[in-house]
Amino acid sequence: NAGVMQNPRHLVRRRGQEARLRCSPMKGHSHVYWYRQLPEEGLKFMVYLQKENIIDESGMPKERFSAEFPKEGPSILRIQQVVRGDSAAYFCASLGQMGEQYFGPGTRLTVT
Amino acid sequence: EDQVTQSPEALRLQEGESSSLNCSYTVSGLRGLFWYRQDPGKGPEFLFTLYSAGEEKEKERLKATLTKKESFLHITAPKPEDSATYLCAVRYGGSQGNLIFGKGTKLSVKP
Repeated sequence: NAGVMQNPRHLVRRRGQEARLRCSPMKGHSHVYWYRQLPEEGLKFMVYLQKENIIDESGMPKERFSAEFPKEGPSILRIQQVVRGDSAAYFCASLGQMGEQYFGPGTRLTVT
Repeated sequence: EDQVTQSPEALRLQEGESSSLNCSYTVSGLRGLFWYRQDPGKGPEFLFTLYSAGEEKEKERLKATLTKKESFLHITAPKPEDSATYLCAVRYGGSQGNLIFGKGTKLSVKP
């Protein structure tokens, strides 16, 4: 039973470039959460998606960040015109039947 | 403001020395308290869910308990492989299911 998959595991971007992070939830799961973890900080909620629908994006910065979860394929978190402050670990989580969330291994974004 | 606070920030134990980690929360309408373990460079690994005061869950050397204001993660006779950061998170009534996380307790167990 495959777990949550994220790729790439590590991503280096120069300031001003775009970053695309992908997440495939556990088999049979159709709800995905994205979180960001800054050094020495806790995990912070960004966005909650269902297939073809954004349920809650209250934690997403208003500019440069967007997310989608198409009918086919992985969920994508997109960061346009990256800045150094975007350097962090980004995790997605798949929603289990009892409300628990199962996390992927994360994508570590470094902006140079 | 809704908050989750974990203490201590770091804990060093000798192998076999039992202890407890604390998670206090101030959310309205708790809909679940979750414990996770996170190893360096990895994603959080789900351990337990607790829903109501008085509930307890156990897994190997770990036991989680819940009161109306806080949760404890008790570690009995820890081993070096229990070294990790332990995260507490809550799901509350006003959310769409997203979790509010504490900053974690970094546990080091020395042989």
